[in-house]
Amino acid sequence: GAVVSQHPSRVICKSGTSVKIECRSLDFQATTMFWYRQFPKKSLMLMATSNEGSKATYEQGVEKDKFLINHASLTLSTLTVTSAHPEDSSFYICSARGQANSYEQYFGPGTRLTVT
Amino acid sequence: GNSVTQMEGPVTLSEEAFLTINCTYTATGYPSLFWYVQYPGEGLQLLLKATKADDKGSNKGFEATYRKETTSFHLEKGSVQVSDSAVYFCALSAWNTGNQFYFGTGTSLTVIP
Repeated sequence: GAVVSQHPSRVICKSGTSVKIECRSLDFQATTMFWYRQFPKKSLMLMATSNEGSKATYEQGVEKDKFLINHASLTLSTLTVTSAHPEDSSFYICSARGQANSYEQYFGPGTRLTVT
Repeated sequence: GNSVTQMEGPVTLSEEAFLTINCTYTATGYPSLFWYVQYPGEGLQLLLKATKADDKGSNKGFEATYRKETTSFHLEKGSVQVSDSAVYFCALSAWNTGNQFYFGTGTSLTVIP
């Protein structure tokens, strides 16, 4: 149980275009989903926290107009990188939490974004 | 505030060697502690966890004990295998920050035959 999927696993896009990454909880309802960014050989950086049906909370320094997060249902959250640039190339990982007071997060397999 | 400090790698060991990866934390309150493993090109997988002081998490031969007195959660394995080669992340989750996760910088382990 507690499986989180991400789609696509890899994406290459041209500079200036937008790309959407999906995060799904397959066998549980996720009240909260998290989006992380991982730079090469670095740790995970929390970008934003989203609760189903409400606006995402962004961490300091993360541009909310550039990284659009939508958590429209209890099993799906999307991250859209708008007007992507090469510096947005990174590994994006989502995680999901089933219960509001739970410390457990279940991580997706990640999406490798390359902007050319 | 909450933070995790993890020993820097990379670490290279021969097969069947003993592994220790140090992890210390600072937290207000009583956090839960985790070790995650990331294989090349993949996401994070939970390796083990401990939710209160003196708890020992264990899985696949790996162990870590939640030491409140030294604020540590060191990862150990008695005999590593080539298949253990991966990046290991120490993390904490604290209720007073909405159970947000705080990760260490990761330690890359390579096990050679």
